[in-house]
Amino acid sequence: GAGVSQTPSNKVTEKGKYVELRCDPISGHTALYWYRQSLGQGPEFLIYFQGTGAADDSGLPNDRFFAVRPEGSVSTLKIQRTERGDSAVYLCASSLKGRWTSGSTLGYEQYFGPGTRLTVT
Amino acid sequence: AQSVAQPEDQVNVAEGNPLTVKCTYSVSGNPYLFWYVQYPNRGLQFLLKYITGDNLVKGSYGFEAEFNKSQTSFHLKKPSALVSDSALYFCAVRDARDDKIIFGKGTRLHILP
Repeated sequence: GAGVSQTPSNKVTEKGKYVELRCDPISGHTALYWYRQSLGQGPEFLIYFQGTGAADDSGLPNDRFFAVRPEGSVSTLKIQRTERGDSAVYLCASSLKGRWTSGSTLGYEQYFGPGTRLTVT
Repeated sequence: AQSVAQPEDQVNVAEGNPLTVKCTYSVSGNPYLFWYVQYPNRGLQFLLKYITGDNLVKGSYGFEAEFNKSQTSFHLKKPSALVSDSALYFCAVRDARDDKIIFGKGTRLHILP
C-alpha cells in the first residue's frame, strides 16, 4: 500500500520567502507528526496532530512556523520569512494511534515519509 | 520533559559478531520506546517498539531490544551482524501521557566484512 508521501522532495528558496511543505499520510492514520532533521542530528519534534487539531505544537521554533491539517488527512507545514537557519530536511510521519488506548499495543509506531530538503539561500 | 541519550556516535562490529547499540531515556511517566533505522538517502524505517508487556521485544531484520526499567535503558541488539545492517540507528521515547516523541542523535553502525 501507499506510504507517507511528501512534496516537494527538494525546495530551494531565497531568504525571506514563504514556503509550504505538504504531507500526505497513510490512509486511516489519525496521528500526524512533523519533524526537522539537520545534518548529523536526530529528528527534532515540531508539531503533532490528532485528527484535525494540533494536539502539541510545542516544538515549533517560533511564530514563523505554522501547520494545518484541515480535513484530518493531508497536512501543510508553512514557513514565513524563511531564514538560512531553516535549511534542513523536514520529515512527516503518521501513525494509527496517538494517545494510549487500552487493550492493544498495535499502531503506535510511526511511518515516515522521505522528507523535503529545504535550502534557504 | 523526556530525553534520550545514545552515548555512542559510531559502533564498529565484525560481520557475524553480536551487536549492541545503546540507548538510555528519561521520562516522568511510563515510556513508549522505539528504534528506527535510516539508510542513506532513504527515510526512517520502524524496527521495533516497547509499549507495555514483555521486556524483550523482537522486531524487523532479526533485531531485538530489552526494556530495563531500573536502568532506564532500551539497548538494541542482534545476535549476528550482517554487512547490510550498516546504517544510522535512532532511539526514540515518548511519555505515555504526552504526544511529543523525542529522538536521540543517532548511532552510526558499521559492520565490517
